Amino acid sequence: AQRVTQPEKLLSVFKGAPVELKCNYSYSGSPELFWYVQYSRQRLQLLLRHISRESIKGFTADLNKGETSFHLKKPFAQEEDSAMYYCAHPPRSRSGGYQKVTFGTGTKLQVIP
Amino acid sequence: DAGITQSPRHKVTETGTPVTLRCHQTENHRYMYWYRQDPGHGLRLIHYSYGVKDTDKGEVSDGYSVSRSKTEDFLLTLESATSSQTSVYFCAISAGAPGANVLTFGAGSRLTVL
Repeated sequence: AQRVTQPEKLLSVFKGAPVELKCNYSYSGSPELFWYVQYSRQRLQLLLRHISRESIKGFTADLNKGETSFHLKKPFAQEEDSAMYYCAHPPRSRSGGYQKVTFGTGTKLQVIP
Repeated sequence: DAGITQSPRHKVTETGTPVTLRCHQTENHRYMYWYRQDPGHGLRLIHYSYGVKDTDKGEVSDGYSVSRSKTEDFLLTLESATSSQTSVYFCAISAGAPGANVLTFGAGSRLTVL
């Protein structure tokens, strides 16, 4: 089955330290991948997607097809980055379109002051 | 906010009772989803819909049914609630087009089954 894996349930870093949240995917081809974030007491929201190649709140994520990874990175963590982060992908259906979207199990980022 | 609302936001019920959660959107998006969020499991897809009266199962559909009689409403029903269905339920919508397959989430419905 096509899936994404987030190996870390919890990642604790000190403020100002670099952050890397891992996401690996299991299928070949051209995936469409996303990172979503859920801050405390807020709804889930899109952080970034690989096709836009943008940086949001200092975070970037590069698709590495060789390693089948889409790790989320930030050079200097801030306290406000503490949140739950989910990697997600909409696998292609047999008809070729995208339908259901599945998520990894999530990584809780804790930034220590 | 964000064109998607869930109701009720909180519910406490007893084992064996039926429960219906409602998701309402004003975006006219084609796709609607129900997820449950549990510690250690992240977000798991229960059911999704790709149009009026078109629904399909997700990875944890047992014990749940859905209906979509109008574009704007997607109902999740627990016919006979069990304690294992205590969770936070999220509805999401998307336009679904390749390259624009971004989910917008509701605020969540916290269900406690005693």
